Amino acid sequence: DAGVIQSPRHEVTEMGQEVTLRCKLISGHNSLFWYRQTMMRGLELLIYFNNNVPIDDSGMPEDRFSAKMPNASFSTLKIQPSEPRDSAVYFCASSFNIQGARYQPQHFGDGTRLSIL
Amino acid sequence: SQELEQSPQSLIVQEGKNLTINCTSSKTLYGLYWYKQKYGEGLIFLMMLQKGGEEKSHEKITAKLDEKKQQSSLHITASHPSHAGTYLCGADRGRSSGSARQLTFGSGTQLTVLP
Repeated sequence: DAGVIQSPRHEVTEMGQEVTLRCKLISGHNSLFWYRQTMMRGLELLIYFNNNVPIDDSGMPEDRFSAKMPNASFSTLKIQPSEPRDSAVYFCASSFNIQGARYQPQHFGDGTRLSIL
Repeated sequence: SQELEQSPQSLIVQEGKNLTINCTSSKTLYGLYWYKQKYGEGLIFLMMLQKGGEEKSHEKITAKLDEKKQQSSLHITASHPSHAGTYLCGADRGRSSGSARQLTFGSGTQLTVLP
């Protein structure tokens, strides 16, 4: 089975440009998590969705960041306008969870390494 | 994350040696997850512990969760260069809405195994 697929793997762009990161969930999974990883702050949860609905976006740094799930298997994370401090590795992870059932672990994609110049 | 303390931050061992990585929380954990990350790649799920005193093993890796559910250890027996990477613990603090659960991660332990 295919794992979580992220694209692009690497993105280099100038500050002020719009950046869109993409994530395809594992087939059948219903929870989607976006993380950011930096040397200084480690792995931070930005936002997560359950059954296409955003549940908690308190980790989103500011209004320049937005995330959507246009369908059950796909998500985008958009940064507009981008700034150098947004440079990081962005991961998405998916899992399958049902209320009351045993919790299932999150499975991660390989990440998008973003550099804002 | 400052909520989870991992130790040591880095570890260099000779191939064949045993090693232990620790993950400590000041609060009770509803679940503890161990992941491995190689440079430039995503996190690979290793094991999940949910019950106090629980212990799980996979090949040469054993993870334990203490009775109070505030500390976990990851033990590698007879280490091999293939074990090299960064090991992260993730804590489920039970916050949930609907059926999704949030994880908070430690800062990781970077393991080097010398051949």
